[in-house]
Amino acid sequence: EAGVAQSPRYKIIEKRQSVAFWCNPISGHATLYWYQQILGQGPKLLIQFQNNGVVDDSQLPKDRFSAERLKGVDSTLKIQPAKLEDSAVYLCASSPGLAGRPSTDTQYFGPGTRLTVL
Amino acid sequence: AQSVSQHNHHVILSEAASLELGCNYSYGGTVNLFWYVQYPGQHLQLLLKYFSGDPLVKGIKGFEAEFIKSKFSFNLRKPSVQWSDTAEYFCAVNAKRDDKIIFGKGTRLHILP
Repeated sequence: EAGVAQSPRYKIIEKRQSVAFWCNPISGHATLYWYQQILGQGPKLLIQFQNNGVVDDSQLPKDRFSAERLKGVDSTLKIQPAKLEDSAVYLCASSPGLAGRPSTDTQYFGPGTRLTVL
Repeated sequence: AQSVSQHNHHVILSEAASLELGCNYSYGGTVNLFWYVQYPGQHLQLLLKYFSGDPLVKGIKGFEAEFIKSKFSFNLRKPSVQWSDTAEYFCAVNAKRDDKIIFGKGTRLHILP
């Protein structure tokens, strides 16, 4: 079974530039998550999709971050414009999305994209 | 607000030593509890989880964790660690009220051969 794919693996940009990350979840997984992991911290949930609908985006800085999951499969996360404090690893995870509330689902993580903002 | 505390940020042990990593959470209602692990150069992966039943949960690679509701704790244990257990360990909680998963800051474990 193929895992969660993310690209690019690394990205270096200057502040005020824009950047986009891509995620392809495990086939058949209904739930997709984007996390931000700043050095020395645990992953922080930015947005959660159930199929192509947003379940939770309460921690997404909506003035600069946006995400979409067209057709309920792949997803993109965009930052425009980037700030120095956005330097982090951006993790994508997926889960089957069938385990009720609160979810007991196991999340399957991708390798992450390491973003450096100069 | 819901929070997760991992007491130790960096732990160094020798092989064959016993391990216990602490995890406490702040929410008093129904919760699901997870430990995830990230080995060097690898993705985050599930080590074990608790959602109901026996509060002593066994996971992969000889790890176990005990849910003590009265202490709001879910400590991870292993009786005898190996060099290959060197990794970063994250405790995570999600609560019935909002179904939002919260991760702790992680504990970096280094096993000396």
